[in-house]
Amino acid sequence: GAVVSQHPSWVICKSGTSVKIECRSLDFQATTMFWYRQFPKQSLMLMATSNEGSKATYEQGVEKDKFLINHASLTLSTLTVTSAHPEDSSFYICSATQGGGVQPQHFGDGTRLSIL
Amino acid sequence: SQKIEQNSEALNIQEGKTATLTCNYTNYSPAYLQWYRQDPGRGPVFLLLIRENEKEKRKERLKVTFDTTLKQSLFHITASQPADSATYLCALDISGNQFYFGTGTSLTVIP
Repeated sequence: GAVVSQHPSWVICKSGTSVKIECRSLDFQATTMFWYRQFPKQSLMLMATSNEGSKATYEQGVEKDKFLINHASLTLSTLTVTSAHPEDSSFYICSATQGGGVQPQHFGDGTRLSIL
Repeated sequence: SQKIEQNSEALNIQEGKTATLTCNYTNYSPAYLQWYRQDPGRGPVFLLLIRENEKEKRKERLKVTFDTTLKQSLFHITASQPADSATYLCALDISGNQFYFGTGTSLTVIP
C-alpha cells in the first residue's frame, strides 16, 4: 500500500519550455504533498509543501512564480517548471503523507529533468 | 545556521558486520526523526520513525536511537548483507509537516 506515482520519469526539453510533473497517490488520499529537488550526490532539498485545496508553502529561496504547484485533489499534485533553463536541470521528487498525526512520507520515483 | 549532517559520505563494511550511521543536527528541535533508504535513480523509502521521547526503536535488523541532548541519531544495521547497500537518509520532522533531510550516507556492504 501507500504507492506514489510520479510522471514523467524523465524529460529533456529546450530552454524556455515549461514542464509539468505529476505526482499521484494511487491507493490513499494524500492530505499533504511535498516537492523536493536533488542534485547529484546531494540530499533532498525541500522546495514546497502543499495541502489539497490551498496554496503551497514555499521554502525560502524557491521562486513561486518559477515553480508552480497545484494540489487540486487529494490524490494529485503537479509541479510546473515555467520557462525552464539549464540551471533548472535536476532530479525532482514528490512525496505524500496520509491522514493526520505523525506519518512517514511516501515518495515517487522522481523525474529527471534535463534542459538543453 | 541549521544543519543536518550524516557521517562520512561513504561507508564500506564487510558482510555480516554491523553498520552504524550517524545523523547530527544543529539549531533544530525535531519532534520526530525518520530514516529512509534511497537506491540510485529512485525515490527514498521509509524505514523507521522515532519520537523525541523515545530512546530506541527496532525493526528486524534495524535499530535507531535518538538523543535529543546530543542532537544525534544513530542507525544500525546488524548482520549486514550486500542487499543493504544503498544511500541512507535521516530526516527531521520539525512540526509534523516540515521535513528536512540530511546529507546522506552511501553504504556498501562487501561480500
